[in-house]
Amino acid sequence: EVHLVESGGGLVKPGGSLRLSCAASGFTFSSYNMNWVRQAPGKGLEWVALIGSISSYIDYAHSVRGRFIISRDNAKNSLYLQMNSLRVEDTGVYYCARGGSGYTWGQGTLVTVSS
Amino acid sequence: DIQMTQSPSSLSASVGDRVTITCRASQSISGYLNWYQQKAGKAPKLLIYAASSLQSGVPSRFSGSGSGTHFTLTISSLQPEDFATYYCHQSYSTPDTFGQGTKLDIK
Repeated sequence: EVHLVESGGGLVKPGGSLRLSCAASGFTFSSYNMNWVRQAPGKGLEWVALIGSISSYIDYAHSVRGRFIISRDNAKNSLYLQMNSLRVEDTGVYYCARGGSGYTWGQGTLVTVSS
Repeated sequence: DIQMTQSPSSLSASVGDRVTITCRASQSISGYLNWYQQKAGKAPKLLIYAASSLQSGVPSRFSGSGSGTHFTLTISSLQPEDFATYYCHQSYSTPDTFGQGTKLDIK
């Protein structure tokens, strides 16, 4: 069974940084593209970033490009999101999601950016 | 970026009703369309992938159809556990984009 567990969320001040992690199990992690998707409180889903199976392809949403960095460690079955220069509007639940035929989702981790 | 427009944005229905939700893409996405169900405080759950393929373990009352720019999700006979918010998602080209959601509640 596919299992994705996010961690690293919390409260941070505007301008601060945070690193999210996603531990994957139950599938061959190195064979799949991985994504981060976020959801602001009471709002819809917003795709944030994508990384290819061997990190050869990376893309970001316009809203986070230049501030966020997606990475992965296939030896550790782990996905990461380094978030810098955080803004109030980055607040929300961050999900890691396995690509392929539709997304398979973790349970999410809450990021709150507030002074 | 490809815009995804869902309709309606909210819907009231009764147990046993047949319900259809529509998703339109701003340009052709072939069959790269997925549907998710999200309940309050939970992660989204994949229902349908590639426009019409039922994800393993999802009840057969859920079905999807469409191609190009027009897609539908149908629930043939609503059950109490189906009251939730539904999202469409295009994976044809990055940035992936989602519809704004359809909140389905009990009439």
